Amino acid sequence: DGGITQSPKYLFRKEGQNVTLSCEQNLNHDAMYWYRQDPGQGLRLIYYSQIVNDFQKGDIAEGYSVSREKKESFPLTVTSAQKNPTAFYLCASTTGRRPDSPLHFGNGTRLTVT
Amino acid sequence: LAKTTQPISMDSYEGQEVNITCSHNNIATNDYITWYQQFPSQGPRFIIQGYKTKVTNEVASLFIPADRKSSTLSLPRVSLSDTAVYYCLVGVNTGTASKLTFGTGTRLQVTL
Repeated sequence: DGGITQSPKYLFRKEGQNVTLSCEQNLNHDAMYWYRQDPGQGLRLIYYSQIVNDFQKGDIAEGYSVSREKKESFPLTVTSAQKNPTAFYLCASTTGRRPDSPLHFGNGTRLTVT
Repeated sequence: LAKTTQPISMDSYEGQEVNITCSHNNIATNDYITWYQQFPSQGPRFIIQGYKTKVTNEVASLFIPADRKSSTLSLPRVSLSDTAVYYCLVGVNTGTASKLTFGTGTRLQVTL
């Protein structure tokens, strides 16, 4: 089955530690995205990448970093500079070659920082 | 980038038709309109997409007027399992125009 895998499903960290969330896709999609969702809120864009070795900041990139060394992988690092890191993080991908291609989402990682 | 506005929440009884409208006054010529459904603690999933006029699939219909400044998602005969958050996304995902930004969504509550 093709899809997007986010791991782990739940992640707990102490304040001041960096943490990396994994996102892997086997859909052969070019574009990948990271969104953050807080309780009762919509999705806010953190970073996105159209091709390997290239990525752009979204609306709330401060305190986050990403890499795109492989087409299949788009890991997100939540750094200690992120003031309120506790949230539900969603990764998505799309072909990026057709303007009407919908986003495919993973099932998210719930990060709790104490 | 086209900003979207949706009602924050809606309530419906099981078996009724539900229409959720999304406003996107500054939609661009190349933008598509896509609706997603999200259940708690899951990623959103694609429901339906359109560019203009009307689109229908096995789960919903999407109505888009000629000026494309709004769109309406229609869910026929909703059931309890349709309780979810529905997002309208306007944009195009090729090249540099790929910053796909979601609105706050509409929380639909279906009851007996």
